[in-house]
Amino acid sequence: DAGVIQSPRHEVTEMGQEVTLRCKPISGHDYLFWYRQTMMRGLELLIYFNNNVPIDDSGMPEDRFSAKMPNASFSTLKIQPSEPRDSAVYFCASSLSARGLGSPLHFGNGTRLTVT
Amino acid sequence: KNQVEQSPQSLIILEGKNCTLQCNYTVSPFSNLRWYKQDTGRGPVSLTIMTFSENTKSNGRYTATLDADTKQSSLHITASQLSDSASYICVVSDGTGGFKTIFGAGTRLFVKA
Repeated sequence: DAGVIQSPRHEVTEMGQEVTLRCKPISGHDYLFWYRQTMMRGLELLIYFNNNVPIDDSGMPEDRFSAKMPNASFSTLKIQPSEPRDSAVYFCASSLSARGLGSPLHFGNGTRLTVT
Repeated sequence: KNQVEQSPQSLIILEGKNCTLQCNYTVSPFSNLRWYKQDTGRGPVSLTIMTFSENTKSNGRYTATLDADTKQSSLHITASQLSDSASYICVVSDGTGGFKTIFGAGTRLFVKA
């Protein structure tokens, strides 16, 4: 099992540019989560999907952020236009619901985004 | 307001020593509490999970305790190793259904030789 795979590992972009982060969840997992981690705010849940359907996007900071999950093996988080305050590490995680709410989150190694 | 507070913010110990990390929460209703370990540059990895009825859970040298009455949890690390240097994050899930989880800010542990 390769685990949750995120790409790219690092992204440096200029303010105003579009940024797309990618995630491949663990095969068979039916929940997918996007988190953002900063020193000031720690880990924050942005959005999560169940069976490719967005369930709760209340953590998405504003309309500049959007997430899609076109199929069970792929998800994207897009920021357009990007701003310096978006600089953070973005994590994707997946989980298997069969074990109930006690299912652990399996995190990828994150994408470190720097917006200059 | 649902909150998870961890202490200390950071900790330095010598290799071979024991340490205990604290987590206090105000999440209600309560579903479960997890401790995650996050190595630098990596995503968090689950160490233990405890539900309301459990008060102790071990995973190798890691032992977590839960007091649901006082809403406190601790993570005890025995005979620390250099590889234990990481951030330890306490995560509490509420019982309202879905995946509403509240993350603590973490404790940064440094184990020195």
